[in-house]
Amino acid sequence: QKEVEQDPGPLSVPEGAIVSLNCTYSNSAFQYFMWYRQYSRKGPELLMYTYSSGNKEDGRFTAQVDKSSKYISLFIRDSQPSDSATYLCAMSASNTGKLIFGQGTTLQVKP
Amino acid sequence: GAVVSQHPSRVICKSGTSVKIECRSLDFQATTMFWYRQFPKQSLMLMATSNEGSKATYEQGVEKDKFLINHASLTLSTLTVTSAHPEDSSFYICSARGMPNEKLFFGSGTQLSVL
Repeated sequence: QKEVEQDPGPLSVPEGAIVSLNCTYSNSAFQYFMWYRQYSRKGPELLMYTYSSGNKEDGRFTAQVDKSSKYISLFIRDSQPSDSATYLCAMSASNTGKLIFGQGTTLQVKP
Repeated sequence: GAVVSQHPSRVICKSGTSVKIECRSLDFQATTMFWYRQFPKQSLMLMATSNEGSKATYEQGVEKDKFLINHASLTLSTLTVTSAHPEDSSFYICSARGMPNEKLFFGSGTQLSVL
């Protein structure tokens, strides 16, 4: 079993839809949770960073962490075609910078 | 925001040759740099962690003699793929951060194709 599971998709939604992206994990020691956006053949770009459980909102993006269920989510409101990319969850047990990534979910937002 | 420059963005080489990839932090001092490998449709897999001035720490299953990492300064780390073979073809990405508790920033990646 992988430490971090993420449905690779692809996920296709119409412009303006609310997008829900999720990851599950098995290591209860994970405390730091991140969401990255990656365009094709480019480096990942940090979208959201959360420590421990709870919600965090930044513009159209909301990140949720439920440590009791070992489940994290990223919501994108009013999705735009420019949001089309691969979204990677990542997590870490300590703040050493060593991240464990999910496989990534490919999102396509159609105009 | 902080910028990490990775070069080259794409390289094609013959089997048996060595390839060097550079990762530079442009506006901060990177005390720690990480090297990842990503195969198509797969996740980023951490290869090694390098701290300035010390030997790199490799993840299990990564050959340190094949993937040479040098972090000689606070702004530059290099990954050299020695005697490259077609199975080494992959997307290599570096990341860097300054002090502990600071955010990680990723380079734009290097697509290596070994013929």
